[in-house]
Amino acid sequence: GDSVTQMEGPVTLSEEAFLTINCTYTATGYPSLFWYVQYPGEGLQLLLKATKADDKGSNKGFEATYRKETTSFHLEKGSVQVSDSAVYFCALSDAADSWGKLQFGAGTQVVVTP
Amino acid sequence: SAVISQKPSRDICQRGTSLTIQCQVDSQVTMMFWYRQQPGQSLTLIATANQGSEATYESGFVIDKFPISRPNLTFSTLTVSNMSPEDSSIYLCSAPSVEGTEAFFGQGTRLTVV
Repeated sequence: GDSVTQMEGPVTLSEEAFLTINCTYTATGYPSLFWYVQYPGEGLQLLLKATKADDKGSNKGFEATYRKETTSFHLEKGSVQVSDSAVYFCALSDAADSWGKLQFGAGTQVVVTP
Repeated sequence: SAVISQKPSRDICQRGTSLTIQCQVDSQVTMMFWYRQQPGQSLTLIATANQGSEATYESGFVIDKFPISRPNLTFSTLTVSNMSPEDSSIYLCSAPSVEGTEAFFGQGTRLTVV
């Protein structure tokens, strides 16, 4: 079945450092890929998405490129802020299954220190 | 974008009792999804709720423990029955966008069973 693997945390960074969170997937079809963010005590928010190979999703300085050849969707941000401290989830939705049904990675906690 | 209202936002319940969580979407959707997020863990799909038919449960989840209703295209409920402390989690409902390009989430229900 479909699965998502993302790097374990916590990841601790200093403000203005470069952030990368690795995410790889396995899927039988042609999935859409997502990054969701969960700030402390809050619900789940969509950060960015990509629906086909080579698409680049971007939002709030974060970027991720859908790489079919490496089945990856790594999240990057060039200069993190303390406010980026959160848990980040990589997820996929396979249209061959039920659209909107998401398979999540384990989540990566990011802690940004001043 | 879809707006999903979920309530209650949190509750503390006695073991052996049941809690019903409500989820309201501001647009008509074919499928709705219920997830569980145990403390410090990722999201796990409980079931898919289709209007007019029984919910489809994922492995490890059963209807007797998590009965779901889907009376119309904008509303669903999840009941957590005969609760034990192990049921303490955040429960989230989700629905796909009308365009079918992303999934939206409610704010979640933080359940503590004592």
